[in-house]
Amino acid sequence: AQTVTQSQPEMSVQEAETVTLSCTYDTSESDYYLFWYKQPPSRQMILVIRQEAYKQQNATENRFSVNFQKAAKSFSLKISDSQLGDAAMYFCAYRSRGRDKIIFGKGTRLHILP
Amino acid sequence: KAGVTQTPRYLIKTRGQQVTLSCSPISGHRSVSWYQQTPGQGLQFLFEYFSETQRNKGNFPGRFSGRQFSNSRSEMNVSTLELGDSALYLCASSLELQGDNYGYTFGSGTRLTVV
Repeated sequence: AQTVTQSQPEMSVQEAETVTLSCTYDTSESDYYLFWYKQPPSRQMILVIRQEAYKQQNATENRFSVNFQKAAKSFSLKISDSQLGDAAMYFCAYRSRGRDKIIFGKGTRLHILP
Repeated sequence: KAGVTQTPRYLIKTRGQQVTLSCSPISGHRSVSWYQQTPGQGLQFLFEYFSETQRNKGNFPGRFSGRQFSNSRSEMNVSTLELGDSALYLCASSLELQGDNYGYTFGSGTRLTVV
């Protein structure tokens, strides 16, 4: 069965600095999707970034980018120029290309220090 | 474009009662998934519906059930509520085109408290 591991339960970063959240996953499949979701205190889960496993190029969305290492099964999220509004719980998630459920990691709570 | 709408936002029920939660997906999204979120267990998959058919099911007891209507709206039902059912229940819809998935859009959730 596939698993997603986020080894950092909590992290803090100074405003305007860069922070990297780690995620590793385990799968025997070759074609899948990886996601990063953000859940602020309002509790709405927001899709931050999406990566297709067959694409070598790392996905980027404005200040958010990923480092996707397929062989190492690693999918880290880098947030540049951190802002107070980035404070949230961040979840790494996996989904096979087949019609399957999304599997979430336990999350990393990110604090932004002013 | 309206997002995923979940109702109600908050619910307080007594042990032994049953509850029905509702989810209206984004227009055009035919896949609706339900998740239970608790501090201890994180996000756990309940079930997924696609075109009125249950496509995937998580490891929850039979007290948890769901359905999807022809307009893609979905409901989940929990019967004989237990204290441990207290959680945030999240619904997510997704657009699938030719087998490709474009990510899930979540609703704001229903906070269920069982007393």
